[in-house]
Amino acid sequence: NAGVMQNPRHLVRRRGQEARLRCSPMKGHSHVYWYRQLPEEGLKFMVYLQKENIIDESGMPKERFSAEFPKEGPSILRIQQVVRGDSAAYFCASSPPSLAGKDTQYFGPGTRLTVL
Amino acid sequence: KNEVEQSPQNLTAQEGEFITINCSYSVGISALHWLQQHPGGGIVSLFMLSSGKKKHGRLIATINIQEKHSSLHITASHPRDSAVYICAVRSGETSGSRLTFGEGTQLTVNP
Repeated sequence: NAGVMQNPRHLVRRRGQEARLRCSPMKGHSHVYWYRQLPEEGLKFMVYLQKENIIDESGMPKERFSAEFPKEGPSILRIQQVVRGDSAAYFCASSPPSLAGKDTQYFGPGTRLTVL
Repeated sequence: KNEVEQSPQNLTAQEGEFITINCSYSVGISALHWLQQHPGGGIVSLFMLSSGKKKHGRLIATINIQEKHSSLHITASHPRDSAVYICAVRSGETSGSRLTFGEGTQLTVNP
C-alpha cells in the first residue's frame, strides 16, 4: 500500500505564475488535508476536503488559493499569481473514511515551492 | 498565546540520555499527535493519543487530559533520533479533523 504521494517534490515559479500541487492519498482514504510550513515556522492548517467536497477551508488565504478533490484523480492545491511569500513547504495528509477525528493522518513528503 | 505550546524549543543531548519533550494545549481535543520531521523535511506520525500512554520501541508518549498536557519520552537516545518533534492536537469530533500544531522541538543527539 503506497503512502501519500505528492508531486512535484520541488517546484520553482516566477512571481505571477500559477502553481499546481498534487496529492494522491493512500488507497482507501477519502479525507485529504493540506498544511503549509513557511520557512522557520510551524505547520499551519489550510484546508480539509472529502471527495468532491470542501469541508473546512478556514485556513486558506481568501485570494489566489483554491483546492479541490475530484471524484477521480488527485487532490489539487492551486495558487494563482504566486508571490514570494508563498514560498513554503506544502504538505498533504490523508485519513480513511471512518469517524472523523478518530484516525491518524498520514503525511506525504511535501512539495517545496520556491517563488523567484 | 498559541493553542499548542511545546518545550523546550531546542534540546541537545548526548547519546544514551533519556529525553523528554513537553506539550501543553489550551483547547478541548479529541486526540493528540506526536510527529517527527526529519532534516529532509518528511513528516512521520509517531503516536496518536486520546488518553493514557503508548509505547513504540524506545518512544513513549503520555497524555493527561485533565491537565491538558502530553509528554514524549525517548529512552537510550541515538544520533538518528535527531529531528524536529511536533505536537499537534485535533479538536472536534465531527466538525473536521484539522490539526493545530506546536512550533516543534529541535532535538540534536550527539555521539
